[in-house]
Amino acid sequence: EIQLQESGPGLVKPSQSLSLTCSVTGYTITSGYDWSWIRKFPGNKMEWMGYISYSGSTNYNPSLKSRISITRDTSKNQFFLQLNSVTTEDTATYYCARYEGPIDYWGQGVMVTVSS
Amino acid sequence: DIQMTQSPASLSASLGETVTIECRASEDIYNGLAWYQQKPGKSPQLLIYNANSLHTGVPSRFSGSGSGTQYSLKINSLQSEDVASYFCQQYYDYPPWTFGGGTKLELK
Repeated sequence: EIQLQESGPGLVKPSQSLSLTCSVTGYTITSGYDWSWIRKFPGNKMEWMGYISYSGSTNYNPSLKSRISITRDTSKNQFFLQLNSVTTEDTATYYCARYEGPIDYWGQGVMVTVSS
Repeated sequence: DIQMTQSPASLSASLGETVTIECRASEDIYNGLAWYQQKPGKSPQLLIYNANSLHTGVPSRFSGSGSGTQYSLKINSLQSEDVASYFCQQYYDYPPWTFGGGTKLELK
């Protein structure tokens, strides 16, 4: 069974960096698909943030391009999100997900609050 | 970016009723549309892809239709376990993929 699990701090201070890990079990991230980060804001707006493909290429939401980086550790079957210079507007639930057009597997989500 | 306008934002229906949720895209998305269900505290679950294809394991009371810029999700014979939020996502054009604003479905 394919499972994705996010981990990382639930509280980040403004201007700092948000770093999250997605651990994948049941499927090797280099075998196929694109591995995405998506967030859901309070009020329910969803935003696709970006992905890293099975080959290691990345694609980011233009609205975040200057602040976001998605990387991976293939030896641990994990991929990572780093979002720099966060503000309170980055407070959201962050999901990692497997994308094949539609998104067929999602992690449980991790709530991140940006606050001093 | 393609804008996805979803309606209604909230909906109250009775058990056994048929419910329809709609998404309108700001341009033609050529059936590149998915519908998801999300229950409180849970991750979203894929229901429909390619506008009208039922994902594996999804009950047949769920169906999707539409083309061009107009799409809909229909739930026949509403069950108590269908109480959830629903949202659409276009994946025809990216970056970025974009989502509808969601519909919260409650029991009357």
